[in-house]
Amino acid sequence: AQKITQTQPGMFVQEKEAVTLDCTYDTSDPSYGLFWYKQPSSGEMIFLIYQGSYDQQNATEGRYSLNFQKARKSANLVISASQLGDSAMYFCAMRGGYNTDKLIFGTGTRLQVFP
Amino acid sequence: EPEVTQTPSHQVTQMGQEVILRCVPISNHLYFYWYRQILGQKVEFLVSFYNNEISEKSEIFDDQFSVERPDGSNFTLKIRSTKLEDSAMYFCASSERDGLGDEQYFGPGTRLTVT
Repeated sequence: AQKITQTQPGMFVQEKEAVTLDCTYDTSDPSYGLFWYKQPSSGEMIFLIYQGSYDQQNATEGRYSLNFQKARKSANLVISASQLGDSAMYFCAMRGGYNTDKLIFGTGTRLQVFP
Repeated sequence: EPEVTQTPSHQVTQMGQEVILRCVPISNHLYFYWYRQILGQKVEFLVSFYNNEISEKSEIFDDQFSVERPDGSNFTLKIRSTKLEDSAMYFCASSERDGLGDEQYFGPGTRLTVT
């Protein structure tokens, strides 16, 4: 079965520091995509970053980078230089192969950035 | 920047009533999705839709649910006879293509409260 696990229900980080949000996944399909979404208190889902299973390099998007360790089936999100506006829920999601449309989400990590 | 819109932002209905949640996907997108998020829980896939047909649905999407693209712009989710457990945030999403890495753009959500 395909599954996403986020083991950190909450994380705290000081402004300007880096933080890593953990995500592990399980799939038997060799082709899959991994996504991170941010959900602020207003409720919308904002796409942050994508990593494909065949990508050789870790994905980066501005202050976001993805630490992809395929053998360990982990896809951790690293936020550098945290800002107060980064306080939100963060969801890891997977599209498990070409034969499915759906994104499977983890339970999320609530990140709080303090001054 | 184009965005997915959803109406209403909040809907309150009585148990047993029918509700229709409306979405306007991004105009050049061809693939449409509904997800739901029960308060405090993870986002769950309901259904995907392409070329006027359901392409995939989850076990949540039973006979009480239906989707429709009544015209060239709207995409709707109907719940025929609402139950208390249907109370959730419902997200519409759309994507231009169906590749593994193609981002699903989420709307702001409709909060459905069933009393």
